[in-house]
Amino acid sequence: DVKVTQSSRYLVKRTGEKVFLECVQDMDHENMFWYRQDPGLGLRLIYFSYDVKMKEKGDIPEGYSVSREKKERFSLILESASTNQTSMYLCASSLPLGLQPDTQYFGPGTRLTVL
Amino acid sequence: SQQGEEDPQALSIQEGENATMNCSYKTSINNLQWYRQNSGRGLVHLILIRSNEREKHSGRLRVTLDTSKKSSSLLITASRAADTASYFCATPRGGSGYSTLTFGKGTMLLVSP
Repeated sequence: DVKVTQSSRYLVKRTGEKVFLECVQDMDHENMFWYRQDPGLGLRLIYFSYDVKMKEKGDIPEGYSVSREKKERFSLILESASTNQTSMYLCASSLPLGLQPDTQYFGPGTRLTVL
Repeated sequence: SQQGEEDPQALSIQEGENATMNCSYKTSINNLQWYRQNSGRGLVHLILIRSNEREKHSGRLRVTLDTSKKSSSLLITASRAADTASYFCATPRGGSGYSTLTFGKGTMLLVSP
Protein backbone atom coordinates (compact mmCIF):
# COMPACT_ATOMS: atom_id res chain seq x y z
CA ASP A 1 0.00 0.00 0.00
CA VAL A 2 1.07 3.53 -0.75
CA LYS A 3 1.82 5.49 2.33
CA VAL A 4 1.91 9.26 2.44
CA THR A 5 2.80 10.82 5.76
CA GLN A 6 2.68 14.42 6.91
CA SER A 7 4.86 15.76 9.68
CA SER A 8 2.09 17.07 11.94
CA ARG A 9 -1.62 16.47 12.36
CA TYR A 10 -2.17 19.77 14.16
CA LEU A 11 -0.03 22.89 14.14
CA VAL A 12 -0.48 26.28 15.77
CA LYS A 13 1.72 29.17 14.66
CA ARG A 14 1.84 32.91 15.12
CA THR A 15 1.38 35.53 12.40
CA GLY A 16 4.67 36.26 10.68
CA GLU A 17 6.32 32.95 11.55
CA LYS A 18 7.95 30.82 8.87
CA VAL A 19 6.14 27.49 8.71
CA PHE A 20 7.33 24.23 7.18
CA LEU A 21 4.92 21.43 6.34
CA GLU A 22 6.61 18.19 5.39
CA CYS A 23 5.26 15.34 3.30
CA VAL A 24 6.92 11.99 2.64
CA GLN A 25 5.75 9.17 0.36
CA ASP A 26 7.21 5.68 0.19
CA MET A 27 6.09 4.52 -3.25
CA ASP A 28 8.67 6.18 -5.48
CA HIS A 29 6.01 8.42 -7.05
CA GLU A 30 7.19 11.14 -9.39
CA ASN A 31 4.30 13.53 -8.75
CA MET A 32 3.58 15.22 -5.45
CA PHE A 33 0.94 17.83 -4.63
CA TRP A 34 -0.04 20.30 -1.94
CA TYR A 35 -3.68 21.30 -1.50
CA ARG A 36 -5.52 23.37 1.00
CA GLN A 37 -9.07 22.57 1.97
CA ASP A 38 -11.51 25.13 3.33
CA PRO A 39 -15.23 24.82 4.06
CA GLY A 40 -17.30 25.71 1.02
CA LEU A 41 -14.24 25.98 -1.23
CA GLY A 42 -13.25 22.34 -1.58
CA LEU A 43 -9.68 21.32 -2.40
CA ARG A 44 -7.51 23.92 -4.07
CA LEU A 45 -4.14 23.10 -5.57
CA ILE A 46 -1.28 25.21 -4.22
CA TYR A 47 1.78 23.69 -5.90
CA PHE A 48 2.82 20.43 -7.42
CA SER A 49 6.06 18.79 -8.42
CA TYR A 50 6.63 16.26 -11.20
CA ASP A 51 10.28 15.55 -10.45
CA VAL A 52 13.06 16.34 -8.01
CA LYS A 53 13.79 20.07 -7.92
CA MET A 54 10.88 20.75 -10.30
CA LYS A 55 7.77 22.63 -9.27
CA GLU A 56 4.71 24.11 -10.87
CA LYS A 57 2.23 26.63 -9.51
CA GLY A 58 -1.30 25.51 -8.89
CA ASP A 59 -4.37 27.67 -8.49
CA ILE A 60 -3.40 29.54 -5.32
CA PRO A 61 0.41 29.74 -4.98
CA GLU A 62 0.53 33.22 -3.46
CA GLY A 63 2.08 33.25 -0.01
CA TYR A 64 3.55 29.77 -0.39
CA SER A 65 6.71 28.17 -1.72
CA VAL A 66 7.78 24.55 -2.04
CA SER A 67 10.92 22.48 -2.00
CA ARG A 68 11.62 19.05 -3.42
CA GLU A 69 15.23 18.05 -2.85
CA LYS A 70 14.53 14.31 -2.74
CA LYS A 71 11.98 12.27 -4.66
CA GLU A 72 10.15 11.09 -1.58
CA ARG A 73 9.85 14.44 0.19
CA PHE A 74 7.86 17.55 -0.72
CA SER A 75 7.80 20.53 1.61
CA LEU A 76 5.36 23.41 1.71
CA ILE A 77 6.70 26.66 3.14
CA LEU A 78 4.73 29.59 4.42
CA GLU A 79 7.32 32.35 4.36
CA SER A 80 5.38 34.62 6.71
CA ALA A 81 2.24 32.98 8.02
CA SER A 82 -0.97 34.99 8.03
CA THR A 83 -4.34 34.29 9.61
CA ASN A 84 -5.94 33.67 6.21
CA GLN A 85 -3.64 30.67 5.81
CA THR A 86 -5.43 28.88 8.62
CA SER A 87 -6.64 25.76 6.86
CA MET A 88 -6.36 22.02 6.39
CA TYR A 89 -3.34 21.19 4.23
CA LEU A 90 -3.30 17.95 2.30
CA CYS A 91 -0.36 16.34 0.54
CA ALA A 92 -0.77 13.76 -2.22
CA SER A 93 1.37 11.75 -4.60
CA SER A 94 0.83 9.92 -7.87
CA LEU A 95 2.59 8.20 -10.74
CA PRO A 96 3.40 10.24 -13.86
CA LEU A 97 0.87 10.92 -16.58
CA GLY A 98 0.36 7.86 -18.72
CA LEU A 99 1.53 5.21 -16.26
CA GLN A 100 -1.61 5.07 -14.16
CA PRO A 101 -4.52 7.39 -14.76
CA ASP A 102 -4.09 10.16 -12.28
CA THR A 103 -4.99 8.34 -9.07
CA GLN A 104 -3.70 10.34 -6.14
CA TYR A 105 -2.78 9.01 -2.71
CA PHE A 106 -3.29 11.41 0.16
CA GLY A 107 -1.68 11.95 3.51
CA PRO A 108 -3.80 12.41 6.67
CA GLY A 109 -3.65 16.20 6.51
CA THR A 110 -2.24 18.95 8.72
CA ARG A 111 -4.68 21.32 10.35
CA LEU A 112 -2.81 24.61 10.64
CA THR A 113 -4.03 27.44 12.81
CA VAL A 114 -2.33 30.83 12.51
CA LEU A 115 -2.99 33.15 15.43
CA SER B 1 -11.08 26.29 -11.53
CA GLN B 2 -13.86 23.88 -10.58
CA GLN B 3 -14.55 21.11 -13.05
CA GLY B 4 -16.64 18.61 -11.11
CA GLU B 5 -19.60 19.69 -9.02
CA GLU B 6 -21.29 17.24 -6.68
CA ASP B 7 -24.97 17.17 -5.90
CA PRO B 8 -26.45 17.17 -3.32
CA GLN B 9 -24.15 19.08 -0.98
CA ALA B 10 -25.42 17.01 1.94
CA LEU B 11 -27.37 13.77 2.28
CA SER B 12 -28.80 12.16 5.39
CA ILE B 13 -30.10 8.58 5.33
CA GLN B 14 -30.70 5.60 7.60
CA GLU B 15 -28.52 2.51 7.73
CA GLY B 16 -29.53 0.01 5.10
CA GLU B 17 -30.75 2.63 2.64
CA ASN B 18 -29.00 3.42 -0.62
CA ALA B 19 -27.18 6.70 -1.14
CA THR B 20 -26.79 8.33 -4.54
CA MET B 21 -24.47 11.22 -5.27
CA ASN B 22 -24.06 12.98 -8.57
CA CYS B 23 -21.20 14.79 -10.25
CA SER B 24 -21.33 17.08 -13.26
CA TYR B 25 -18.32 18.30 -15.16
CA LYS B 26 -17.70 20.73 -17.99
CA THR B 27 -15.04 19.53 -20.41
CA SER B 28 -14.25 16.22 -22.08
CA ILE B 29 -12.43 13.75 -19.87
CA ASN B 30 -10.78 10.37 -20.28
CA ASN B 31 -11.61 9.19 -16.77
CA LEU B 32 -13.41 10.25 -13.60
CA GLN B 33 -12.58 9.25 -10.04
CA TRP B 34 -14.43 9.21 -6.75
CA TYR B 35 -12.74 9.74 -3.40
CA ARG B 36 -13.96 9.52 0.20
CA GLN B 37 -12.85 11.68 3.11
CA ASN B 38 -13.61 10.81 6.69
CA SER B 39 -13.93 13.80 8.98
CA GLY B 40 -10.61 15.56 9.48
CA ARG B 41 -8.63 13.04 7.46
CA GLY B 42 -7.08 12.74 4.00
CA LEU B 43 -8.91 11.57 0.89
CA VAL B 44 -9.01 7.92 -0.08
CA HIS B 45 -9.43 6.78 -3.67
CA LEU B 46 -12.56 4.67 -4.17
CA ILE B 47 -13.01 3.97 -7.84
CA LEU B 48 -12.03 5.16 -11.30
CA ILE B 49 -14.22 4.91 -14.38
CA ARG B 50 -12.84 5.46 -17.87
CA SER B 51 -14.62 7.40 -20.58
CA ASN B 52 -15.33 4.22 -22.56
CA GLU B 53 -17.07 2.61 -19.58
CA ARG B 54 -20.70 3.25 -18.66
CA GLU B 55 -20.84 1.48 -15.33
CA LYS B 56 -18.41 0.03 -12.84
CA HIS B 57 -18.85 -1.86 -9.60
CA SER B 58 -16.67 -2.28 -6.54
CA GLY B 59 -18.23 -4.04 -3.58
CA ARG B 60 -21.22 -1.93 -2.50
CA LEU B 61 -20.23 0.90 -4.83
CA ARG B 62 -21.67 1.43 -8.28
CA VAL B 63 -20.44 4.24 -10.49
CA THR B 64 -21.98 5.33 -13.75
CA LEU B 65 -20.64 7.73 -16.34
CA ASP B 66 -22.63 9.48 -19.04
CA THR B 67 -20.20 11.37 -21.24
CA SER B 68 -23.00 12.82 -23.38
CA LYS B 69 -24.45 14.54 -20.31
CA LYS B 70 -21.05 15.09 -18.70
CA SER B 71 -22.22 13.51 -15.49
CA SER B 72 -21.42 10.65 -13.15
CA SER B 73 -23.18 9.09 -10.20
CA LEU B 74 -21.94 7.16 -7.20
CA LEU B 75 -24.37 4.73 -5.59
CA ILE B 76 -23.62 3.18 -2.21
CA THR B 77 -25.95 0.28 -1.53
CA ALA B 78 -27.03 -0.96 1.91
CA SER B 79 -25.28 1.93 3.61
CA ARG B 80 -23.63 1.61 7.01
CA ALA B 81 -22.80 4.16 9.69
CA ALA B 82 -19.16 3.73 8.69
CA ASP B 83 -20.00 5.17 5.25
CA THR B 84 -20.50 8.57 6.91
CA ALA B 85 -17.98 10.78 5.10
CA SER B 86 -17.61 13.36 2.37
CA TYR B 87 -17.44 12.10 -1.19
CA PHE B 88 -15.65 13.92 -3.99
CA CYS B 89 -15.47 13.43 -7.70
CA ALA B 90 -12.25 14.31 -9.50
CA THR B 91 -11.46 14.84 -13.14
CA PRO B 92 -8.14 15.31 -14.96
CA ARG B 93 -7.08 18.80 -15.83
CA GLY B 94 -6.56 18.77 -19.56
CA GLY B 95 -3.92 20.54 -21.55
CA SER B 96 -1.25 21.00 -18.92
CA GLY B 97 0.77 17.95 -19.83
CA TYR B 98 0.90 17.08 -16.16
CA SER B 99 -1.10 14.61 -14.16
CA THR B 100 -3.26 16.92 -12.07
CA LEU B 101 -6.85 16.63 -10.91
CA THR B 102 -9.67 19.02 -10.21
CA PHE B 103 -11.89 18.08 -7.27
CA GLY B 104 -15.49 19.04 -6.69
CA LYS B 105 -16.65 20.51 -3.40
CA GLY B 106 -18.04 17.21 -2.23
CA THR B 107 -21.21 15.62 -0.90
CA MET B 108 -21.39 15.14 2.85
CA LEU B 109 -23.13 11.85 3.63
CA LEU B 110 -24.52 11.10 7.09
CA VAL B 111 -25.71 7.57 7.74
CA SER B 112 -27.65 7.21 10.97
CA PRO B 113 -27.91 3.88 12.83
